[in-house]
Amino acid sequence: KAGVTQTPRYLIKTRGQQVTLSCSPISGHRSVSWYQQTPGQGLQFLFEYFSETQRNKGNFPGRFSGRQFSNSRSEMNVSTLELGDSALYLCASSLAAGGLKGELFFGEGSRLTVL
Amino acid sequence: GESVGLHLPTLSVQEGDNSIINCAYSNSASDYFIWYKQESGKGPQFIIDIRSNMDKRQGQRVTVLLNKTVKHLSLQIAATQPGDSAVYFCAENGGSNYKLTFGKGTLLTVNP
Repeated sequence: KAGVTQTPRYLIKTRGQQVTLSCSPISGHRSVSWYQQTPGQGLQFLFEYFSETQRNKGNFPGRFSGRQFSNSRSEMNVSTLELGDSALYLCASSLAAGGLKGELFFGEGSRLTVL
Repeated sequence: GESVGLHLPTLSVQEGDNSIINCAYSNSASDYFIWYKQESGKGPQFIIDIRSNMDKRQGQRVTVLLNKTVKHLSLQIAATQPGDSAVYFCAENGGSNYKLTFGKGTLLTVNP
């Protein structure tokens, strides 16, 4: 069974640009969450989707957005990139329809560098 | 406010010793806790979880202890192996069903 797949794995952007990251959850998982990981702030929750609906959102500015498609695949977008957006962006999927009743399975992440 | 903090940012142990990684949390609403292991270049990997109606849970070579009175969580790794070298994160749900709040992480180094 394939794990959580994130693309691209690495990317470099410049300030002001935008970026779209993609996540394919484990087959059958309908909940997808996104986290930002930086050395200074650690892992921080961005948002969570289930059945194409955003159920919860973390404390990030509106430049950070996401969506989920009918096949449960998810994308997140960051517009007007800033240097501080450089981070590892992690996607996690879960089987549980009711939320955190079990494991979150993480992907390998997309490492974004903003120059 | 919500916060999950680790007492020790780094821990170095000898191969074969037992390791204990500690974590403090402050959100009384948290009723679900997870430990994750993250190796360099990889995403976090689930180790073990525990719900607030339990104070101890055991897995293979790992034990999680939960003390709700002092809001403390610990991960014990028995007979630590070089492959256990990684960053370990505790996470709590803050009473939410949809998100986790992670600690900053503890770097465990196992010396042969």
